[in-house]
Amino acid sequence: GESVGLHLPTLSVQEGDNSIINCAYSNSASDYFIWYKQESGKGPQFIIDIRSNMDKRQGQRVTVLLNKTVKHLSLQIAATQPGDSAVYFCADPGGSQGNLIFGKGTKLSVKP
Amino acid sequence: NAGVMQNPRHLVRRRGQEARLRCSPMKGHSHVYWYRQLPEEGLKFMVYLQKENIIDESGMPKERFSAEFPKEGPSILRIQQVVRGDSAAYFCATRRVGTDTQYFGPGTRLTVL
Repeated sequence: GESVGLHLPTLSVQEGDNSIINCAYSNSASDYFIWYKQESGKGPQFIIDIRSNMDKRQGQRVTVLLNKTVKHLSLQIAATQPGDSAVYFCADPGGSQGNLIFGKGTKLSVKP
Repeated sequence: NAGVMQNPRHLVRRRGQEARLRCSPMKGHSHVYWYRQLPEEGLKFMVYLQKENIIDESGMPKERFSAEFPKEGPSILRIQQVVRGDSAAYFCATRRVGTDTQYFGPGTRLTVL
């Protein structure tokens, strides 16, 4: 069945370093992906999205890369800050009516 | 511009009671999705509604759970005769017609004693 999952459940980085969070998907027909950030006790917050006609998209300190050949996408956070500590989810609105399919998430911890 | 609003933020119920969770979409958003999140898990789709219509309830348990999105007022997720296994965070997400991006509310954390 369709799934969207993340490679690592936790990631610990030093403040100022770059972070890379990976995600694999199984549905070749998926054409749109969204990264969300969820801080403790809060709802998921939209970070950045990418459509399948793109390989890369950049935001403020974040970059998403999409490799359709191996069905993999990654979220890169430059100069990681303590405020980046959260759980990061990739999501695919590939459900029957556009509902999001989430992986379990990667918990990013930033060490000062 | 206010974001998606949910209330209450925290709800405690005893087994057998009813829980009502409310979601007010962002301005201009007419599509509402409800998701449930268990501890240390990702979010799981429950139901998708547009004004006065349930479009897809395939993720919602057939018994005890119901949802509505009336012409006026917030969307409501209702859980009757709650059990301990219903304890979770419930999030709604909304989007504008013709777009894909869903924006989430802060969630309601339901605890069943």
